[in-house]
Amino acid sequence: NAGVTQTPKFQVLKTGQSMTLQCAQDMNHNSMYWYRQDPGMGLRLIYYSASEGTTDKGEVPNGYNVSRLNKREFSLRLESAAPSQTSVYFCASSEASFSSYEQYFGPGTRLTVT
Amino acid sequence: LAKTTQPISMDSYEGQEVNITCSHNNIATNDYITWYQQFPSQGPRFIIQGYKTKVTNEVASLFIPADRKSSTLSLPRVSLSDTAVYYCLVGNQAGTALIFGKGTTLSVSS
Repeated sequence: NAGVTQTPKFQVLKTGQSMTLQCAQDMNHNSMYWYRQDPGMGLRLIYYSASEGTTDKGEVPNGYNVSRLNKREFSLRLESAAPSQTSVYFCASSEASFSSYEQYFGPGTRLTVT
Repeated sequence: LAKTTQPISMDSYEGQEVNITCSHNNIATNDYITWYQQFPSQGPRFIIQGYKTKVTNEVASLFIPADRKSSTLSLPRVSLSDTAVYYCLVGNQAGTALIFGKGTTLSVSS
């Protein structure tokens, strides 16, 4: 059981470049999430997917797009990277049932935009 | 959205009980409360979840008063390894409207 995996672990982009962050979970969870965490700050929700085929905006969606490819995979795309998007990106998944809202987090992707 | 407010930092010594309070004045009727722990360079890790009254597991207790406008995470007999950032999260049952607080940095000394 790998849990939540994220690729890549590190990435450096130039302003204007695009890239996709990949996330996969093997726990058969319905809900998946993308957060960003800036230095010394808490986590802010970018997008989430309550179930396969659905996605919704979170607190800070501007500049990002997401795809829930299937139940396992949830990708985050930066179409035109900006220095303000330098951050650590965490993917998470959750069963999101009344018995448990526990989110399982991946190890993070450290992105630097120059 | 239920914003949360926590103390920025707390200090403690090994063996003491630590209580961290989170304020969430705008919590909705069906919102739940969850606490996470985060070490440097790692993703957050779930500690405990609750809706009302008191919940206890093997690592912590969560106290939620009747008005649910705040919650207190209680860590019994902390050790050096409990030094971390602790986040309070309020979310609704649809799995949306997830707001993390800015976290409380707990420093445990010997």
